[in-house]
Amino acid sequence: QVHLQESGPGLVKPSGTLSLTCAVSGGSISSDNWWTWVRQTPEKGLEWIGETYHSGSTNYNPSLKSRVTISVDKSKNQFSLILTSVTAADTALYFCARALGYASTSFDYWGQGTLVTVSS
Amino acid sequence: DIQMTQSPSTLSASVGDRVTITCRASQSINIWLAWYQQKPGKAPKLLIYKASNLESGVPSRFSGSGSGTEFTLTISSLQPDDFATYYCHHYNSYPRTFGQGTKVEIK
Repeated sequence: QVHLQESGPGLVKPSGTLSLTCAVSGGSISSDNWWTWVRQTPEKGLEWIGETYHSGSTNYNPSLKSRVTISVDKSKNQFSLILTSVTAADTALYFCARALGYASTSFDYWGQGTLVTVSS
Repeated sequence: DIQMTQSPSTLSASVGDRVTITCRASQSINIWLAWYQQKPGKAPKLLIYKASNLESGVPSRFSGSGSGTEFTLTISSLQPDDFATYYCHHYNSYPRTFGQGTKVEIK
């Protein structure tokens, strides 16, 4: 059973950098899957942020692409999200998830989510 | 971006009812659609993938159908555990997008 667990600061200052990590257990991050970040707000609902493969390949949402970096650390079996120049609009519940298969399909495993608030 | 539109936004139903939720894509997504159930404070849970395939462990009262631009999620006999919000999600192209959600409430 694959388990994902997000971690990182729950409060980030405006114009600062949001940094989250997703630890993967019960499976290898080098498996044939993509590793994804999704966020959720009451206003915009669920928003796909982007994904990474264990090779380091990435795909990002164009709406966030200029501010987002998603990377994988195979030695720690985890992947990370960095979002720069944050504003209040980036306040959200952030989830990490596994996108099944090399084709990056449905999200079959999710972390519990971590709330990040952007405020001074 | 492909826009996913769900209807209705809210649905009031009773235990035992047959419930149908619709998801429309702004352009064809073939069968590359998933459905999720989300309860308050929890992560979404995968129910259906590739439009009509039931995820392992999901009760058979859930079913999905459709292709192209129109899809449905049906709960054949609503159970108390099914009161939740349901989302569709396409993975036909980038960026992936979700529907706005359908909240299934107790009537």
